[in-house]
Amino acid sequence: DAGVTQSPTHLIKTRGQQVTLRCSPKSGHDTVSWYQQALGQGPQFIFQYYEEEERQRGNFPDRFSGHQFPNYSSELNVNALLLGDSALYLCASSFGQLNTEAFFGQGTRLTVV
Amino acid sequence: GNSVTQMEGPVTLSEEAFLTINCTYTATGYPSLFWYVQYPGEGLQLLLKATKADDKGSNKGFEATYRKETTSFHLEKGSVQVSDSAVYFCALLRDNYGQNFVFGPGTRLSVLP
Repeated sequence: DAGVTQSPTHLIKTRGQQVTLRCSPKSGHDTVSWYQQALGQGPQFIFQYYEEEERQRGNFPDRFSGHQFPNYSSELNVNALLLGDSALYLCASSFGQLNTEAFFGQGTRLTVV
Repeated sequence: GNSVTQMEGPVTLSEEAFLTINCTYTATGYPSLFWYVQYPGEGLQLLLKATKADDKGSNKGFEATYRKETTSFHLEKGSVQVSDSAVYFCALLRDNYGQNFVFGPGTRLSVLP
């Protein structure tokens, strides 16, 4: 049973560019959340998607947007990249919007230069 | 606002030693509390949780008790093994549903044979 898978594993972008990160939830899961983990810090919640809609959002600017597809997979888009966006981006999935037990992927390491 | 504070690492112990990782939180109301663990090269995994005051979460020999009076959720294990080497994150859940977690910065544990 595949767990949460994320792609790519590593990515290097230039300031001002746009990036798209992808996540496939664990089999049977329908809810996806995204987190940003800066070096040496805990993950910070970006947003959660359920039934193809954003349901909860953390304190992140509108440059961060997402999408969930009918097969429950999800994308995280970041526009106008800043150096401070360099981080590990984690995707987590669960079954049901209200479920608090999240299964995390290994993340995408984004470096902005 | 909501925040989580953990003892700074790294923590280095010998096998079979007693482990305590301190965690305190600031929140409005009584949030659910969690410990997540991240083994090398893997995503975060839920270790244990507690949803109300005086609840004790336990799993794989680890325990933590929700202490409302001291706003704490310290992680303990009586006898650590080399395989327990990982980064441990304490977290609270905003809104008590979904996945809008507030994580602490993490504590790295190394257990030596």
